[in-house]
Amino acid sequence: EIVLTQSPGTLSLSPGERVTLSCRASQSVSNSYLAWYQQKPGQAPRLLIYGASSRATGIPDRFSGSGSGTDFTLTISRLEPEDFAVYYCQQYGGSPRTFGQGTKLQIK
Amino acid sequence: EVQLVQSGAEVKKPGESLKISCQASGYSFTSYWIGWVRQMPGKGLEWMGIIYPGDSDGTYNPSFRGQVTISADKSVSTAYLQWSSLKASDTAIYYCARHRLSAQDAFDFWGQGTVVTVSS
Repeated sequence: EIVLTQSPGTLSLSPGERVTLSCRASQSVSNSYLAWYQQKPGQAPRLLIYGASSRATGIPDRFSGSGSGTDFTLTISRLEPEDFAVYYCQQYGGSPRTFGQGTKLQIK
Repeated sequence: EVQLVQSGAEVKKPGESLKISCQASGYSFTSYWIGWVRQMPGKGLEWMGIIYPGDSDGTYNPSFRGQVTISADKSVSTAYLQWSSLKASDTAIYYCARHRLSAQDAFDFWGQGTVVTVSS
């Protein structure tokens, strides 16, 4: 099983700032089969990025993903108030599919 | 518009059985894999397993194999997650979600979640 470790656990930032979230895999994720999701309290997760770097439909271009192998990042270029949420990475290259433990982005 | 609408919240006792549902609309139900994801109170997401409604082919996370059953009924475009004997540790929110293009892809649409509470 591929274990995904996200860092940091919690980030406190202000609107307008730039942020980079990290997701590290215990072994290489084949074909960069790595997704990022955003989850707000009381809501289902929402797909942001798939294939490590492709934005899902309707996702603003301030969200970008990069990486390959075992190291992946999600960058939000300029935080908007609605971006404060929990972010999860997920790999779907191996079985079982696995999620990281999440990074909580909170307002400073 | 793609929609996944899940059944309502459930309160059950340990040892009881339960079947929750996920009704799909807005796309060809038999052409996309659907999965189930668990979120225990205050915790992260766990991938439970997936099913292809076209032929009911599926796969489970070993952590959940034998604990739950995933099924689908093409005639009503609905996927199911069921337990034969609930435990208190099954208390969680359960989400269904559709795979983007194949089983080896991200989840692009999610249901609203079903809250399951198991308590004596």
